[in-house]
Amino acid sequence: DVKVTQSSRYLVKRTGEKVFLECVQDMDHENMFWYRQDPGLGLRLIYFSYDVKMKEKGDIPEGYSVSREKKERFSLILESASTNQTSMYLCASSFPGQLYEQYFGPGTRLTVT
Amino acid sequence: KQEVTQIPAALSVPEGENLVLNCSFTDSAIYNLQWFRQDPGKGLTSLLLIQSSQREQTSGRLNASLDKSSGRSTLYIAASQPGDSATYLCASSVEAQKLVFGQGTRLTINP
Repeated sequence: DVKVTQSSRYLVKRTGEKVFLECVQDMDHENMFWYRQDPGLGLRLIYFSYDVKMKEKGDIPEGYSVSREKKERFSLILESASTNQTSMYLCASSFPGQLYEQYFGPGTRLTVT
Repeated sequence: KQEVTQIPAALSVPEGENLVLNCSFTDSAIYNLQWFRQDPGKGLTSLLLIQSSQREQTSGRLNASLDKSSGRSTLYIAASQPGDSATYLCASSVEAQKLVFGQGTRLTINP
């Protein structure tokens, strides 16, 4: 079974802090994704990566950056956290090919105060 | 730009009923359509994936269908149980790697 893990289930940070959210997958997937989920807005893609050191902006990249130094690990960075980044953050991975089936981690509930 | 819609936003049915969840999408040139389940405060669990060349997929009590020409997919749940209570999300991919999600249907099965 594919396993996608995220470093924290709950996180509380202060405005202006630099925040790192970590995601690790154990299935040698090329593709990894970061989404945020908000009531009424659904899931929105922040960034994705299709290989080590490769990244592409999603629909809402402003205020975020990412890092992928190893295939299994994809980090989301909030350079200077703001209250409007309070959200549920979900990481996913997939293997490129016809199926493109995405597997999700348990999520990190981030609160910025 | 692909848009995915799920109606209704919430559904409540008694235990044992068969039910259908609906998903519609605006761009029929999809790679696949995926159905997920999400329990409160948790991540997404993949239920079924239908490739663009397929019409349906089945897993246990779940059956998902796909009609690209009409831009619709349905998720059929047979003999519903209280443990089926969750939010169900559909997502389609037009650009191969990217999923576009619907807002979800919150399903409650009453004992």
